[in-house]
Amino acid sequence: AQSVTQLDSQVPVFEEAPVELRCNYSSSVSVYLFWYVQYPNQGLQLLLKYLSGSTLVKGINGFEAEFNKSQTSFHLRKPSVHISDTAEYFCAVSEANTGGFKTIFGAGTRLFVKA
Amino acid sequence: DAGVTQSPTHLIKTRGQQVTLRCSPKSGHDTVSWYQQALGQGPQFIFQYYEEEERQRGNFPDRFSGHQFPNYSSELNVNALLLGDSALYLCASSHRAGPTNEKLFFGSGTQLSVL
Repeated sequence: AQSVTQLDSQVPVFEEAPVELRCNYSSSVSVYLFWYVQYPNQGLQLLLKYLSGSTLVKGINGFEAEFNKSQTSFHLRKPSVHISDTAEYFCAVSEANTGGFKTIFGAGTRLFVKA
Repeated sequence: DAGVTQSPTHLIKTRGQQVTLRCSPKSGHDTVSWYQQALGQGPQFIFQYYEEEERQRGNFPDRFSGHQFPNYSSELNVNALLLGDSALYLCASSHRAGPTNEKLFFGSGTQLSVL
């Protein structure tokens, strides 16, 4: 069965500093990997996804993530954060089976950007 | 183009009661997934509906049931409510056979409080 572990529950960082949010996954089959962002009082929005091909994927708002199959990781990075990046970030893994896609989420990492 | 809409936005119930939550998927989408997000946690997969049938199910008791209608809209029913059912319930839609069928579009959720 697939599972997702987000290694940090909270990450405080100063504005314009780099940030990395860590994610590890487990699955018995090929997977799709995602990062979603949830701003206060809003639903989840897709930040970026890895389906196949290049292991470095770029998303919206300057975020990028690197898929590492040997370490089963999919860490999210941004070279310089803004106050507006303060939100909850969820790593997710999706497996295809006969029933369709089933997407499982991690517990989330709260990114808090300080001035 | 309307996105995923959920109703109601907030709901207060007492223990033992029953509740029905509603979801209209994004235009062109045919698959609806339901998630439970407790405070400070990641979304937990409840079940997924496609072609009016439950296709996949997470680790939730039979008190949680659902339905999908011919117009692809969906309902989530919870019977015999417990205090622990208090959470944000998220609906996500996708297009099963579409080119980005792995991508979920989320509604803003229904906040359920059980007293």
